[in-house]
Amino acid sequence: KQEVTQIPAALSVPEGENLVLNCSFTDSAIYNLQWFRQDPGKGLTSLLLIQSSQREQTSGRLNASLDKSSGRSTLYIAASQPGDSATYLCAVRRDGGATNKLIFGTGTLLAVQP
Amino acid sequence: KAGVTQTPRYLIKTRGQQVTLSCSPISGHRSVSWYQQTPGQGLQFLFEYFSETQRNKGNFPGRFSGRQFSNSRSEMNVSTLELGDSALYLCASSSGGTSGRRYNEQFFGPGTRLTVL
Repeated sequence: KQEVTQIPAALSVPEGENLVLNCSFTDSAIYNLQWFRQDPGKGLTSLLLIQSSQREQTSGRLNASLDKSSGRSTLYIAASQPGDSATYLCAVRRDGGATNKLIFGTGTLLAVQP
Repeated sequence: KAGVTQTPRYLIKTRGQQVTLSCSPISGHRSVSWYQQTPGQGLQFLFEYFSETQRNKGNFPGRFSGRQFSNSRSEMNVSTLELGDSALYLCASSSGGTSGRRYNEQFFGPGTRLTVL
């Protein structure tokens, strides 16, 4: 059974700092991994999607890496801003079968202090 | 391109009642998935519909059901509401296709906040 863990559960950093969020999954047979952010009481915003054959994806100040064999992904945020404050979730889709079912991690609550 | 829309945004019901939530996916998307989010359990998969067929179901009781229409809009229904059904219900859409750089990327709606009293 796939389990997804995110460390740390919460993180507070001063503005301008670079930071790394971690995501671990127990079953390496994944199809893709997606990073989301969620603002309080809101839906999820897709940040980056990495296919299982890829090693990393970049979008602006965000960079996500994937090491499928070790069951790990990281989300790197450069030059953090107060607007980056949110909960960050990673989710994996398993390999094989016709399904878009995502297994989510527990999230990292990020606070960027001005 | 319009995003995923969900209606209503907020609902208050009492125990024993039933409720129907609606989701309109991004135009052209054929896959719609539903998730329940609670503080204790996090995000949990309810079910997925693709081209009007349920192709995956999570571990929820039969009180939770859904359907998808020919225009890909989806509804989920919860009957005999319990206090524990209070949650944010999120809908996600994706193309369901197998090509393209970001194929099967999933896009979420704003959610429906259900409160059961």
